[in-house]
Amino acid sequence: KAGVTQTPRYLIKTRGQQVTLSCSPISGHRSVSWYQQTPGQGLQFLFEYFSETQRNKGNFPGRFSGRQFSNSRSEMNVSTLELGDSALYLCASSLEIGGAYGYTFGSGTRLTVV
Amino acid sequence: AQKITQTQPGMFVQEKEAVTLDCTYDTSDPSYGLFWYKQPSSGEMIFLIYQGSYDQQNATEGRYSLNFQKARKSANLVISASQLGDSAMYFCAMREGPTGGFKTIFGAGTRLFVKA
Repeated sequence: KAGVTQTPRYLIKTRGQQVTLSCSPISGHRSVSWYQQTPGQGLQFLFEYFSETQRNKGNFPGRFSGRQFSNSRSEMNVSTLELGDSALYLCASSLEIGGAYGYTFGSGTRLTVV
Repeated sequence: AQKITQTQPGMFVQEKEAVTLDCTYDTSDPSYGLFWYKQPSSGEMIFLIYQGSYDQQNATEGRYSLNFQKARKSANLVISASQLGDSAMYFCAMREGPTGGFKTIFGAGTRLFVKA
């Protein structure tokens, strides 16, 4: 059974650019959640999608957005990148909303903004 | 206010000994879930163990057990017979009920070092 696939693994972008990250959940999982991980703030919840609908949102500015497709794949977009957006972005899939019985995480996308 | 608190930034344990990683939580929901995840240096988060708020018995998964004390709102992870491969960051997490919007939030983590 394939795990959660995140692409790309690494990204380097310039301030002001935008970036799109992709996540393919485990087959059968309809929930995809995104987290930002930084040394200073730890793991911060970005948003969750379930059956193509955003079900939850964390406290991030509107520059952070996402969507989910009918095959449960999800994309996350960050516009007008800032240096502080440099982080490891983790995608997590689960059967139920909010990772009710545990998440399966992808390997993450490490974004560096220069 | 912190909802998940891990007070140990770093811990050392001798190989083959047991270690307890502390976690306290705060929620007003009667129904919630508690989890522990491991993050090795590779970065991928690995699910270790789950405890539901209504579960009567402490959860166990191989060498991992969760010491659930509901009245104290603590959910400590016990790793028995530590191995060198257990060296990693460990995160305690809670999935809140309706009051918390069914989100899963994470503590700051504890870095465990296993000594040979």
